[in-house]
Amino acid sequence: DAGVTQSPTHLIKTRGQHVTLRCSPISGHKSVSWYQQVLGQGPQFIFQYYEKEERGRGNFPDRFSARQFPNYSSELNVNALLLGDSALYLCASSFGDRIYEQYFGPGTRLTVT
Amino acid sequence: QQQVKQSPQSLIVQKGGISIINCAYENTAFDYFPWYQQFPGKGPALLIAIRPDVSEKKEGRFTISFNKSAKQFSLHIMDSQPGDSATYFCAALHGSGNTGKLIFGQGTTLQVKP
Repeated sequence: DAGVTQSPTHLIKTRGQHVTLRCSPISGHKSVSWYQQVLGQGPQFIFQYYEKEERGRGNFPDRFSARQFPNYSSELNVNALLLGDSALYLCASSFGDRIYEQYFGPGTRLTVT
Repeated sequence: QQQVKQSPQSLIVQKGGISIINCAYENTAFDYFPWYQQFPGKGPALLIAIRPDVSEKKEGRFTISFNKSAKQFSLHIMDSQPGDSATYFCAALHGSGNTGKLIFGQGTTLQVKP
């Protein structure tokens, strides 16, 4: 079975630009969560979606938004990029009511210059 | 209260030795404690996990010890191998059912010397 997939793998953007990151969960998983991992730190929770509804939001500015589609894939959007947004963006999926068991994708490495 | 504190930041162990990584938390609402292993350029991979009503869980060379009263838990890697060299993160789940978030520690970089 395929794991969580994310695209693109790497991305370089300029300050002030907008970016869209994409995630496809493991087949059968209805929950998708997004995390930001700055170099040398643990992942930080950004959003969780279940059945296309936002179920949780971390301490991130309104420049960050996300959505989940009917096929359970998800997009993370970041507007007005700042240098500090440079990080590895991770998507994790989980099955049904097993939010405790989250499986991560390889991440998208975003560099803001 | 949402923090999970992890130590040490880095660890060097000889092949065959025991690697020990410790974590502490404050929020008693946390209900599940997984450990993740991350190799450079990869996403975190779920390694082993424990619920707070269990004091120890063992899977192969990996053991979690959990002390609910002290709000501490640790990962022991027995017979450490060079292939275990990676960054390890402890985490705690805030939530249940189909809603929740993982709170991660800062990570421990483990190097196992041949």
